[in-house]
Amino acid sequence: AQTVTQSQPEMSVQEAETVTLSCTYDTSESDYYLFWYKQPPSRQMILVIRQEAYKQQNATENRFSVNFQKAAKSFSLKISDSQLGDAAMYFCAYRRGHDKIIFGKGTRLHILP
Amino acid sequence: EAGVVQSPRYKIIEKKQPVAFWCNPISGHNTLYWYLQNLGQGPELLIRYENEEAVDDSQLPKDRFSAERLKGVDSTLKIQPAELGDSAVYLCASRGARGGELFFGEGSRLTVL
Repeated sequence: AQTVTQSQPEMSVQEAETVTLSCTYDTSESDYYLFWYKQPPSRQMILVIRQEAYKQQNATENRFSVNFQKAAKSFSLKISDSQLGDAAMYFCAYRRGHDKIIFGKGTRLHILP
Repeated sequence: EAGVVQSPRYKIIEKKQPVAFWCNPISGHNTLYWYLQNLGQGPELLIRYENEEAVDDSQLPKDRFSAERLKGVDSTLKIQPAELGDSAVYLCASRGARGGELFFGEGSRLTVL
């Protein structure tokens, strides 16, 4: 069975600094998708970034980028120039094809002014 | 474009009472998900629909939970009778036929007393 592990329950970063959130996953599949979702307090979950496993190039969305290490089954999220609005729960997620998405337990990110 | 709409946002009931949650997905999205999110945890899938067909309901506690998506559009999740442990946020999400992104509603927060 596929699993997604986020080993950092909470992290803090100074505003304008860079932070990296870790995620590892377990799968025997070769073709799948990985996601990072953001859930601000009392607000809906939104997609931050997506990575297709067949793509070697790491995905980037403005200040957000990933470090995808397929062999190591690692998928970390880097947030550059952290802003107060980045404070949220961040969930790493895995999906194979049209199957369900499996989420990790999340990392709560605090931004220190 | 309207997002995923859920109601009610908040519901407080006493144990053994019934409760129902409603979800209207993004127009044209064939895939609909109900997720359960406990406090401080990642979402866990309860049921997934492809149009009106429930294609994955293996995690739905069928003794007390039921769901329907009769016309392949909006969906209802019901709990009868509710137990104390059902207190959580119930998330609805939808996905279009193309691409892998899930769009989430704001969730329905249930408190069972």
